Amino acid sequence: QVQLVQSGAEVKKPGSSLKVSCKASGGTFLNYHIAWVRQVPGQGLEWMGGIIPVLRSAHYAQTFQGRVIITTDESTATSYMELKNLRVEDTGVYYCARAGEPKRLDAFDFWGQGTMVTVSS
Amino acid sequence: EIVMTQSPLSLPVTPGEPASISCNSSQSLLHGNGYNYLDWYLQKPGQSPQLLIYLGSDRASGVPDRFSGSGSGTDFTLKISRVEAEDAGVYYCMQALQPPLTFGGGTKVQIK
Repeated sequence: QVQLVQSGAEVKKPGSSLKVSCKASGGTFLNYHIAWVRQVPGQGLEWMGGIIPVLRSAHYAQTFQGRVIITTDESTATSYMELKNLRVEDTGVYYCARAGEPKRLDAFDFWGQGTMVTVSS
Repeated sequence: EIVMTQSPLSLPVTPGEPASISCNSSQSLLHGNGYNYLDWYLQKPGQSPQLLIYLGSDRASGVPDRFSGSGSGTDFTLKISRVEAEDAGVYYCMQALQPPLTFGGGTKVQIK
């Protein structure tokens, strides 16, 4: 059974950077779309971007373009989401999720437990 | 960017009764391969989202058969044939036809 385990909660200052990890175990990593999804308190889900490790190129939502970088380390089956120039409104829960079929973008059937990020001065 | 619109925003339901949620997309989600790239997710309170339906109508592994998805192009529906207490939470549709992937705003299902 695939498991995605994310790094722990973070408290950050405005203007600083954040890096959240998502380690996959129990299944194949290289060929599957790994997405990062944000949920601001009391609001809905927002796709930030995603990467298929074997293809090495990431796609990003326009909202985060220029501030977010998604990478993978195949040797440890870990994906990283780095968000720069943090703002108070970046406070929320950040999830990683894995797509259900190789090289497809859809059907996120495995999710991490979420990482709570608080941005406050 | 494809915009996803869900209705209603909130849906109070009585256990044992049916429920229906609508999702509309600003562009057709029908790919040339004949599949609609539309997923449905349920987020229960305090939990990560879970996949219910993919490709518009395929149930994910372990999802009870009281959940069904239908629709094509720009109009989709999630139906629960007989709501149970454990179905409470927020339901989201998501298009995966093309990046950026986009979610609907969510429908909160509350059990009466």
